[in-house]
Amino acid sequence: KAGVTQTPRYLIKTRGQQVTLSCSPISGHRSVSWYQQTPGQGLQFLFEYFSETQRNKGNFPGRFSGRQFSNSRSEMNVSTLELGDSALYLCASSVRRLQETQYFGPGTRLLVL
Amino acid sequence: AQKITQTQPGMFVQEKEAVTLDCTYDTSDQSYGLFWYKQPSSGEMIFLIYQGSYDEQNATEGRYSLNFQKARKSANLVISASQLGDSAMYFCAMRGGNTGGFKTIFGAGTRLFVKA
Repeated sequence: KAGVTQTPRYLIKTRGQQVTLSCSPISGHRSVSWYQQTPGQGLQFLFEYFSETQRNKGNFPGRFSGRQFSNSRSEMNVSTLELGDSALYLCASSVRRLQETQYFGPGTRLLVL
Repeated sequence: AQKITQTQPGMFVQEKEAVTLDCTYDTSDQSYGLFWYKQPSSGEMIFLIYQGSYDEQNATEGRYSLNFQKARKSANLVISASQLGDSAMYFCAMRGGNTGGFKTIFGAGTRLFVKA
């Protein structure tokens, strides 16, 4: 079974631009979560989608948004990029939610100049 | 509030020896899962092992075992017979129920260095 895939793997943007990251979960997985990882803040939860509905959201500004499609694929969008948005963005999927093991994709490295 | 604490920023271990990475957690959920992930320099988070809060036996997966002490709220990872390829960042994580919003929270991580 194929793992979680994320595209693109690397991205360079400038301040003020917007970016869309994509995540395809493992087949049969309905829960998709997004995380931001930076050296200073560690791994921080962005949001979770389950059955096309956002179920939970972390403490991030409204510039960060996401959605999930009927095939469970998910996208996250960051508008009006800031230098501090430079990070590794990780997507993880699981079959269900409670206690379920999340499997991670390779991540998208975003650099904002 | 839910919290994961990893108190060892860095650890060294000799190749072929065993090493224990510490993890303590805090939650008010009765049902939760505890996980360990490995993150090599490539950045990908690799799932290693899972322990459910109601599991009475410690989880094992090959060279990895989880020393689960529920009363002490600890979930230490033991790696036996360390290999050079084990050098990486290791994260302890927890995913709970309603109280935690079903999201996974992570500790700060422990960087493991395996010496030849």
